[in-house]
Amino acid sequence: AQSVTQPDIHITVSEGASLELRCNYSYGATPYLFWYVQSPGQGLQLLLKYFSGDTLVQGIKGFEAEFKRSQSSFNLRKPSVHWSDAAEYFCAVGAGGFTGGGNKLTFGTGTQLKVEL
Amino acid sequence: GAGVSQSPSNKVTEKGKDVELRCDPISGHTALYWYRQSLGQGLEFLIYFQGNSAPDKSGLPSDRFSAERTGGSVSTLTIQRTQQEDSAVYLCASSPRDRSYEQYFGPGTRLTVT
Repeated sequence: AQSVTQPDIHITVSEGASLELRCNYSYGATPYLFWYVQSPGQGLQLLLKYFSGDTLVQGIKGFEAEFKRSQSSFNLRKPSVHWSDAAEYFCAVGAGGFTGGGNKLTFGTGTQLKVEL
Repeated sequence: GAGVSQSPSNKVTEKGKDVELRCDPISGHTALYWYRQSLGQGLEFLIYFQGNSAPDKSGLPSDRFSAERTGGSVSTLTIQRTQQEDSAVYLCASSPRDRSYEQYFGPGTRLTVT
């Protein structure tokens, strides 16, 4: 069964500082990997996704993530954090879009990001 | 264009009552997912619809939970005889047929069972 681990429950960074949120996954085949962001009272917004090809993927809002198969990781990064980035971030793994079971996602437990001004 | 909408945004119900939660997917999206987000369990997959195919119900936690999707569009998640452990935020997502991996989420329905 697939699983996702986000080891950091809370992270606090200063505005303008760089950010890295960790994500490790377990999946038997090539995974589909995602990062979502959830602001208070809001649904989940897709930041970026990885399926294949270039292991460094760019997303919205200046975020990027790097897929490292050898480490089973898909860490999210941003060079300079803005106060508006404060939110909860979820890493997710999907079985792929072409299986009979659709692409139900397995989520990590989330990392709450606080940004200090 | 319009995103995924869910109603109601908040629902408070008494233990033992039935509730219905509604999801309107993005127009033209053929796939629809329900997830549940709770403090103790995080985000969990519940059920998946794709076009006219039989739904994948593998994530439903008990037979008190059911869902239907009428006309390949609107979906209703029904919880019968609600229990306090059903309190959670219920999220709906939809995706287009050719990009079923790209899920767009609604704002959710916060269910509180008293």
